[in-house]
Amino acid sequence: EAGVAQSPRYKIIEKRQSVAFWCNPISGHATLYWYQQILGQGPKLLIQFQNNGVVDDSQLPKDRFSAERLKGVDSTLKIQPAKLEDSAVYLCASSLAAGGLVGGELFFGEGSRLTVL
Amino acid sequence: GDSVTQMEGPVTLSEEAFLTINCTYTATGYPSLFWYVQYPGEGLQLLLKATKADDKGSNKGFEATYRKETTSFHLEKGSVQVSDSAVYFCALRKNTGNQFYFGTGTSLTVIP
Repeated sequence: EAGVAQSPRYKIIEKRQSVAFWCNPISGHATLYWYQQILGQGPKLLIQFQNNGVVDDSQLPKDRFSAERLKGVDSTLKIQPAKLEDSAVYLCASSLAAGGLVGGELFFGEGSRLTVL
Repeated sequence: GDSVTQMEGPVTLSEEAFLTINCTYTATGYPSLFWYVQYPGEGLQLLLKATKADDKGSNKGFEATYRKETTSFHLEKGSVQVSDSAVYFCALRKNTGNQFYFGTGTSLTVIP
């Protein structure tokens, strides 16, 4: 079974530039998450989709971050314009389970490491 | 709101030592609890999980018991190996909305 795919693995940009990350979840997984992991910290949820609807985007900085999940499959996370503090690893994860079902685990991609200079 | 607190690192142990990494949680309802591990240069992967009170999750010699009375899910291993060197994350899942919340991670280094 193929895992969660992310690209690019690494990206270096100047501040105020834009960047986009792509994620393809495990086939059949209804729920997709984007997390931000700053060095030395735990993953912080940015946005959660169930199919192509947004479940939770309360911690997404909407003035500069946007995400979409067209057709309920793959997803794109965009940052425009980037700030120095956006330097982090952006993790995509997917889950088979939907809300109300006990126990479902997250499957993570390898992450996209962003450096903003 | 729901959250996870885990012990600060880094932790350095000698091979074959006993490991405990503390994790406590705050949650409404009855969450599921997880330990994820991140090996150097790799993504997070599930180590073990427990879905209800008194459940014990186990994998690769690691264990953790879901203790509702102390809201804890401490990770233990009786004899660590160099290959266990990684960052360990405690996490909870709200079963109603499928949200996951992670602790800050504990870095473990095992020396020969």
